[in-house]
Amino acid sequence: SQTIHQWPATLVQPVGSPLSLECTVEGTSNPNLYWYRQAAGRGLQLLFYSVGIGQISSEVPQNLSASRPQDRQFILSSKKLLLSDSGFYLCAWSALDTRVTQYFGPGTRLLVL
Amino acid sequence: GDSVTQMEGPVTLSEEAFLTINCTYTATGYPSLFWYVQYPGEGLQLLLKATKADDKGSNKGFEATYRKETTSFHLEKGSVQVSDSAVYFCALSDSGGGADGLTFGKGTHLIIQP
Repeated sequence: SQTIHQWPATLVQPVGSPLSLECTVEGTSNPNLYWYRQAAGRGLQLLFYSVGIGQISSEVPQNLSASRPQDRQFILSSKKLLLSDSGFYLCAWSALDTRVTQYFGPGTRLLVL
Repeated sequence: GDSVTQMEGPVTLSEEAFLTINCTYTATGYPSLFWYVQYPGEGLQLLLKATKADDKGSNKGFEATYRKETTSFHLEKGSVQVSDSAVYFCALSDSGGGADGLTFGKGTHLIIQP
């Protein structure tokens, strides 16, 4: 069966520091991968998605970037964090042949102080 | 663009009560519709889905029917339990076979009291 991992689970970072969040998927090949952010009291906002290694699409302009160095690895980064980057970050995957249904990881809670 | 509207709550019910969480959508194509559930401190779990008009998704006693004429996908459960307390998200995918992300509603916080 397929599983999706995210780490770290929780992160507290000072303003201006760099960020690297990692997501990996097991049990499937060539998944579509997604990064979402859930801000307090708000719904989920799609940040990035990827259909393959090195292929990244950005949905909103922001202080963050994403990379996909391997087929089942998706990384969310920032060079300098802002207070507004605080939130709950969720990674998701969908199968290449059934792109519609997405499955989510456990999330990373980021607090920028 | 696409959008999903759902009651935000909190919705507070007693155990064994009947549950309805309304969800309506706006989409340009023929979307697939989803309900996800988020328990405190966790990620989202797929609860049920429907991919075409009149389809009924069901899981764990929850049901939702894809109503194209009213652009709705209301979530129902006949008898809720304390363990159903969570945030419920309605979402749609209008990717037409592409890899675009889901469009989510803002979530409905459900509280079930014993």
